[in-house]
Amino acid sequence: GQSLEQPSEVTAVEGAIVQINCTYQTSGFYGLSWYQQHDGGAPTFLSYNALDGLEETGRFSSFLSRSDSYGYLLLQELQMKDSASYFCAVTSGGKLIFGQGTELSVKP
Amino acid sequence: EAGVAQSPRYKIIEKRQSVAFWCNPISGHATLYWYQQILGQGPKLLIQFQNNGVVDDSQLPKDRFSAERLKGVDSTLKIQPAKLEDSAVYLCASASLRGTGNTIYFGEGSWLTVV
Repeated sequence: GQSLEQPSEVTAVEGAIVQINCTYQTSGFYGLSWYQQHDGGAPTFLSYNALDGLEETGRFSSFLSRSDSYGYLLLQELQMKDSASYFCAVTSGGKLIFGQGTELSVKP
Repeated sequence: EAGVAQSPRYKIIEKRQSVAFWCNPISGHATLYWYQQILGQGPKLLIQFQNNGVVDDSQLPKDRFSAERLKGVDSTLKIQPAKLEDSAVYLCASASLRGTGNTIYFGEGSWLTVV
């Protein structure tokens, strides 16, 4: 089966940098995605890594190490609007499987 | 480009009643997903369609849940009879490519409360 582990919650201050880690166990791994979900809203796509290394999109970066079955999402210059839940998700066997999510609270 | 449309947005029913949710994916998207998201948890895949065929329904409780996508476009998810533990948000999503990790787009969800 598949399993994903990520911290349940993280707190940081405005302007800081925060890293949300994700470890996974799965067969037929294609790639690792990250989604953001605000309270009451739909999950929205942030990034996708199929190969090892760092992908940067503005203030957000995502990293993948396939050999370690590990990835992270890095959020820089945190803003209050970044307070949300962040989900890692693996593409495996043609399916997209989500982790339980990390609730990020950004404080002033 | 219009997003994924879902209805109804909110539904309250009594246990043992039935409910149906409708989803219209983004135009041209061949892949359609139904996810169940219980409060405080990640989305759980219930069923995945490729056009009008089922790709995966291994986590769909088939004794009470059913889904169809007859013409390969819009889809309906039905629950009958509902249980208290079915209270959740039912998210429909669509994608233009299957199994590649390319972006999937979610609708706003249908919030179900079973009392």
